[in-house]
Amino acid sequence: DAGITQSPRHKVTETGTPVTLRCHQTENHRYMYWYRQDPGHGLRLIHYSYGVKDTDKGEVSDGYSVSRSKTEDFLLTLESATSSQTSVYFCAIGGRGDETQYFGPGTRLLVL
Amino acid sequence: AQSVAQPEDQVNVAEGNPLTVKCTYSVSGNPYLFWYVQYPNRGLQFLLKYITGDNLVKGSYGFEAEFNKSQTSFHLKKPSALVSDSALYFCAVRDTGRRALTFGSGTRLQVQP
Repeated sequence: DAGITQSPRHKVTETGTPVTLRCHQTENHRYMYWYRQDPGHGLRLIHYSYGVKDTDKGEVSDGYSVSRSKTEDFLLTLESATSSQTSVYFCAIGGRGDETQYFGPGTRLLVL
Repeated sequence: AQSVAQPEDQVNVAEGNPLTVKCTYSVSGNPYLFWYVQYPNRGLQFLLKYITGDNLVKGSYGFEAEFNKSQTSFHLKKPSALVSDSALYFCAVRDTGRRALTFGSGTRLQVQP
């Protein structure tokens, strides 16, 4: 998976609790992304980062925040989890120039 | 805004027959187009991409895709399907500004023995 790990791989949480997902890369890529995958929607962009401390919103960013304090780590936080945030979350890296974007193994999140 | 359409939720094909998974796109400027495959409970694996050059792009596992600018299509093809090709396939186009991908809704390919 191109040097990308995600943790945790599975999580069950309750509505209203904060949740942080971690993406770690060993490829030194500048660009990192968080997507969510839901049936019938493909993957949709939540947030992305174009460098340390440089982040911006995607199409489905409401209820999510991100942080990138170093090149290799990109954190996604659900401030107060809701059932609508039950999904599979994928981190990706790459996209500069003609680069291919590569995906991590995913985190399956269930919000009860 | 850019968009990708995969008109078929599912494609069924017999093993050994040719397969086509359809994709059309809408984007301003020159498109960067990608195909990914997802096996059950796995992440997305890159198959192939079109950036520029030949309209027929060859990728992993014997797959190829044909870029057609006039029809704004990027259909995925394989001359002879394998049962192991059964998976979920996604077409995507890259945003030139953010470099993020916009995905189609996916097509499930079922190859019957």
